[in-house]
Amino acid sequence: NAGVTQTPKFQVLKTGQSMTLQCAQDMNHEYMSWYRQDPGMGLRLIHYSVGAGITDQGEVPNGYNVSRSTTEDFPLRLLSAAPSQTSVYFCASLRTEGGEQYFGPGTRLTVT
Amino acid sequence: GQQVMQIPQYQHVQEGEDFTTYCNSSTTLSNIQWYKQRPGGHPVFLIQLVKSGEVKKQKRLTFQFGEAKKNSSLHITATQTTDVGTYFCANAGGTSYGKLTFGQGTILTVHP
Repeated sequence: NAGVTQTPKFQVLKTGQSMTLQCAQDMNHEYMSWYRQDPGMGLRLIHYSVGAGITDQGEVPNGYNVSRSTTEDFPLRLLSAAPSQTSVYFCASLRTEGGEQYFGPGTRLTVT
Repeated sequence: GQQVMQIPQYQHVQEGEDFTTYCNSSTTLSNIQWYKQRPGGHPVFLIQLVKSGEVKKQKRLTFQFGEAKKNSSLHITATQTTDVGTYFCANAGGTSYGKLTFGQGTILTVHP
């Protein structure tokens, strides 16, 4: 099992550009989530999904879109990048029994 | 999840000293999870506590959940350089373990 994979590992965008952060898991987990991590602020939930076709907003959803067409994939779209979106983004999937979340390696995004 | 406050923000110890980080909430928590993030890495699940007064041990790590379920602690006995990293507590809100609310984290530095 590869677990949770994320691409790309690093990305630099200019203000106003759009892009999609990819996330995939091969553990057949129903729950998947996106978090952003900023210094001194821990991890904050952006969007999450409880299954294919079902998504919901987290704590900081503005400027981001998600969709969940398959159990395996949960891409995060930045519609018009802003410097405030400079962060490290983590995707996670959840093993419902026990509540353990498995995190991907992260994408470090810089918006100039 | 419920908001959780974590202290201290930083802790510097000599190898062999003990370390404790605390997580507090103003409201009753249904559960508390603990994660460790190595420098440059991703969060890794350590444990979940759900019962009032629960105490769990993993080798040199001891996790406690308060009797009122409003606080939790992680204690490391005789720290080693491999313990370096950031320790987060997190609360999974309601019945959706996919929605984690994280504390700000405690950054542990261990001097050899």
